[in-house]
Order: sequence, then structure tokens, then C-alpha cells
Amino acid sequence: EAGVAQSPRYKIIEKRQSVAFWCNPISGHATLYWYQQILGQGPKLLIQFQNNGVVDDSQLPKDRFSAERLKGVDSTLKIQPAKLEDSAVYLCASSPPGVHQPQHFGDGTRLSIL
Amino acid sequence: DQQVKQNSPSLSVQEGRISILNCDYTNSMFDYFLWYKKYPAEGPTFLISISSIKDKNEDGRFTVFLNKSAKHLSLHIVPSQPGDSAVYFCAASGQGGSEKLVFGKGTKLTVNP
Repeated sequence: EAGVAQSPRYKIIEKRQSVAFWCNPISGHATLYWYQQILGQGPKLLIQFQNNGVVDDSQLPKDRFSAERLKGVDSTLKIQPAKLEDSAVYLCASSPPGVHQPQHFGDGTRLSIL
Repeated sequence: DQQVKQNSPSLSVQEGRISILNCDYTNSMFDYFLWYKKYPAEGPTFLISISSIKDKNEDGRFTVFLNKSAKHLSLHIVPSQPGDSAVYFCAASGQGGSEKLVFGKGTKLTVNP
């Protein structure tokens, strides 16, 4: 079974620039999550999709972050404009249908803001 | 306010001995708990989980114990192997019926040969 695919693996940009991350979940996984992991912390949920609908985006900084999941498969997370505190690893995860299913993570995109 | 706490940033054990990683939580609404293992430059890998209706779940060398009254869970690895050296994250979900995972800060386990 292919895992969660993310790209790019690394990205370096200057503050106030924009950046986008892409995620392809495991086939058949209806639920997709984006997490932000700052160095020394555990991952923090930014947004959760069920198919192509948003379930939870309460911790997404909506003035600069946006995400979409067209057609209920791939997803894109965008930051515009980036701030220094956005330096982190952005992780995508997916889970199969059903209650209390473990989430499976991709390897993440490491974002550095100069 | 940290709802899931892993108070030991690091742990070092000898190969073949038991590793015990601890986790405390504050939110009584959590009803599903998971442990993830993370190697450098990789995403977290699911290890083992436990539902709040159980107090123990075992999978090979890994056992998770849940003490709901104390809001405490632990991961036991027996016997520990050098390949187990990684950062271990405790996570919880179920708050308000959500599948959202709330993570601790992680414990770095080093297993010495």
C-alpha cells in the first residue's frame, strides 16, 4: 500500500512570500489532515477534511493560511504571506472511514522562512 | 494549555531491558489514545492505540496501559532494541466527538547496544 505522499520535502522562502504544499493521501482514505510541527513540539492540527468538506479549521490562521481538497482526494495548503513564525514541518495525514482509525502521516515538508 | 503531557524529554535504556514511556492528559473527554514513533526527517509512524474502554493493549513487544482515573497512559517496550531509538509521541482524540489528534511534545528514546 502506498503511503501518504507530500511535496516538496524542503522549501526555503523569504518572509512575506507565498508557498504551497501538496498532499496525496492513501487511496480510499476519506479523511485528510494538515498538521504543523514546530521544532521541539508535537504536531498541531491546522485543518481536517472529510472528503472535500472542512470538518475542523479552528486552529488555521485564516488571514494567511488556506487549504483546499478538490474532488476529495489531493489537497493543497497555502501560506500567503509567510511570517518567520511559520517555520515548521507541515505534515499531511489521512485515515480510513470509521471511528477511531489511526492516522497515517506523510514525511512532511520542512519550511524555512528567512 | 497543554492537554497531553509527556514530562520526560528523553530516556536512555540498555538493549534488552524494558523501556517505559509515560503520558498524562487533562481532558476527560478523550476516549482514544495512540502512540507514534518518529525517526529524523520522517513522518510519525503509528505504533499502537487503546480505546478508553480497555486498560491494556498488546502488540508484540509493545504494550500500552491506560489508567483512566489517573488520566495516565504508558508505553512499555520489551525487550528494547537499538532500532527502537526514536522520538515517541503520545496522542489523544475524542474531544467533542472529534477525531482530531492532540499530541504531547514527545520523548526521545535512546537504546544503547
